[in-house]
Amino acid sequence: EIVLTQSPGTLSLSPGERATLSCRASESLSSTFLAWYQQKPGQAPRLLIYAASSRATGIPDRFSGSGSGTDFTLTISKLEPEDSAVYYCQQYGGSPMYTFGQGTKLEI
Amino acid sequence: QVTLRESGPALVKPTQTLTLTCTFSGFSLSTSGVSVSWIRQPPGKALEWLALIDWEDDKYYSTSLKTRLTISKDTSKNRVVLTMTNMDPVDTATYYCARIRSVGAPFDYWGQGTLVTVSS
Repeated sequence: EIVLTQSPGTLSLSPGERATLSCRASESLSSTFLAWYQQKPGQAPRLLIYAASSRATGIPDRFSGSGSGTDFTLTISKLEPEDSAVYYCQQYGGSPMYTFGQGTKLEI
Repeated sequence: QVTLRESGPALVKPTQTLTLTCTFSGFSLSTSGVSVSWIRQPPGKALEWLALIDWEDDKYYSTSLKTRLTISKDTSKNRVVLTMTNMDPVDTATYYCARIRSVGAPFDYWGQGTLVTVSS
């Protein structure tokens, strides 16, 4: 079973700064199958990034994804207060078919 | 416009069977490549994938919950149903359904979720 480990657990930054969130897989992943989601309190997750680096529809270019193999990164530049949320990485296509990381809470 | 909505009981007793329905619009589960999945999230905890059903009626389950889950679809009514047997308080969670638009794609649309509490 593929395990995704996210770090840090909580990240506190100021508006205008850059956030770097990490997701490490227990075994090598195809970059095609790594996604990032944003979840605000009381809301469903929202797809931000798929295939490790492609932005989903309507996602501003302040959000970018990178990485390959076992190490993936979500970068959010020029932080805004509304970026406060929990961010999850997800692999899709392995066995079990889908796995989520434990999440990183971003406080602005 | 794609929408999904979960429905089901807000409260179930331990050992009972939970039945949840995902009613969707804006796409068809008979379209090649399309799937619907169920995901849950205990209060304050991470997301956990549960099950998936695809356009060909193939079904996939979480390894840890496989013996308790059944997923099915009614394509004509645009519904996907998840049943989970032998409910326990640790199954208290918000249950979401989500769409996968093609094979090898992530969850691009989610329902708003439904909170299920397991308590006697």
